[in-house]
Amino acid sequence: NAGVTQTPKFQVLKTGQSMTLQCAQDMNHEYMSWYRQDPGMGLRLIHYSVGAGITDQGEVPNGYNVSRSTTEDFPLRLLSAAPSQTSVYFCASSYSASGSRELFFGEGSRLTVL
Amino acid sequence: GESVGLHLPTLSVQEGDNSIINCAYSNSASDYFIWYKQESGKGPQFIIDIRSNMDKRQGQRVTVLLNKTVKHLSLQIAATQPGDSAVYFCAESLYNFNKFYFGSGTKLNVKP
Repeated sequence: NAGVTQTPKFQVLKTGQSMTLQCAQDMNHEYMSWYRQDPGMGLRLIHYSVGAGITDQGEVPNGYNVSRSTTEDFPLRLLSAAPSQTSVYFCASSYSASGSRELFFGEGSRLTVL
Repeated sequence: GESVGLHLPTLSVQEGDNSIINCAYSNSASDYFIWYKQESGKGPQFIIDIRSNMDKRQGQRVTVLLNKTVKHLSLQIAATQPGDSAVYFCAESLYNFNKFYFGSGTKLNVKP
């Protein structure tokens, strides 16, 4: 199993450009989420989804869009990139019905906005 | 990849010693807690979890202690090894909720 796969691993954007960070999981997890991680800080939740067709906002949703058309995929869209969105982004998934709410994380996508 | 622990509190221990990493959580209503380990350039990995109806839970070489009175969580690592060097995060949540809130992390350095 590949687990949680994120692409791209690195990306440089100019201010105002748009892009999509891809996330796919092959564990049939219902729950998927996006976090950002800034130096010296913990992870902050951007958006999450509890199943196909259902999404909701986290702590820091502004400037980001998500959709969940399939169980496997949960892309994160930056509509108009800003330098404040320079960060490392992590996608995570979880099987909600299990006793543990363990999140399985991808390897991260490092985004720099100039 | 670049370390995400550049400005984190750091705990340095000798190989073979026990390590204790502490975490203060913010929401007294939180009833589920997880510890994660993050190695440089990688995503966080699950270590151990605990629900609020427990004070202590043990895994392989790790123990999590929960003190709800003072909203404090600790992770104890026995016989610390060089491979334990990483940044450790605690996360809190309501068990039936879908949002996890992470602490800022502690960097563990294991000296050989």
